[in-house]
Amino acid sequence: GENVEQHPSTLSVQEGDSAVIKCTYSDSASNYFPWYKQELGKGPQLIIDIRSNVGEKKDQRIAVTLNKTAKHFSLHITETQPEDSAVYFCAASKGDKLIFGTGTRLQVFP
Amino acid sequence: DAGITQSPRHKVTETGTPVTLRCHQTENHRYMYWYRQDPGHGLRLIHYSYGVKDTDKGEVSDGYSVSRSKTEDFLLTLESATSSQTSVYFCAISDPQQGGFFGQGTRLTVV
Repeated sequence: GENVEQHPSTLSVQEGDSAVIKCTYSDSASNYFPWYKQELGKGPQLIIDIRSNVGEKKDQRIAVTLNKTAKHFSLHITETQPEDSAVYFCAASKGDKLIFGTGTRLQVFP
Repeated sequence: DAGITQSPRHKVTETGTPVTLRCHQTENHRYMYWYRQDPGHGLRLIHYSYGVKDTDKGEVSDGYSVSRSKTEDFLLTLESATSSQTSVYFCAISDPQQGGFFGQGTRLTVV
């Protein structure tokens, strides 16, 4: 079955710097890759997603890149702000189930 | 927020007792999912449903059962709770290949 690895597990950046979180997946048939943000005491919230027919997608300060050959995808957050502090999860899917990474705790210091 | 509600939000139960968690949606999504979240493991799929009375197992289904008698309700039952089932449980609704929406979670403690 699919396996998703996520790195780093924790990431600390200064406000205004960029943050990058990386994920690798094992099943080359996976074709949908969402990213979630989870704030303390809340459920995960979808922030951006990408499909296998696209190499990059942007939404304001957030971007996701996908390298199908290497089977990895990354989340890029530019101009980080304290409110970006949260746990971020990547996931991969080829059908009706999502397999999640283990999460990255991002801390943005003012 | 999407129309998805989990109940209860918190529960403490004793080992060996049955426990049922409820997920209710008002969005009419065909697919509903139950996950558990544990430190170091991210979110792991327990069971999911792709329609009324249509369910399937996820990665960590042992010790859990589900039922979906109506589109809007998806129940997760711990048949005989164990300490290893202490966790935060999340329900999610979506269509396949869509990110979907998660509930606020249920924190379950088995003592």
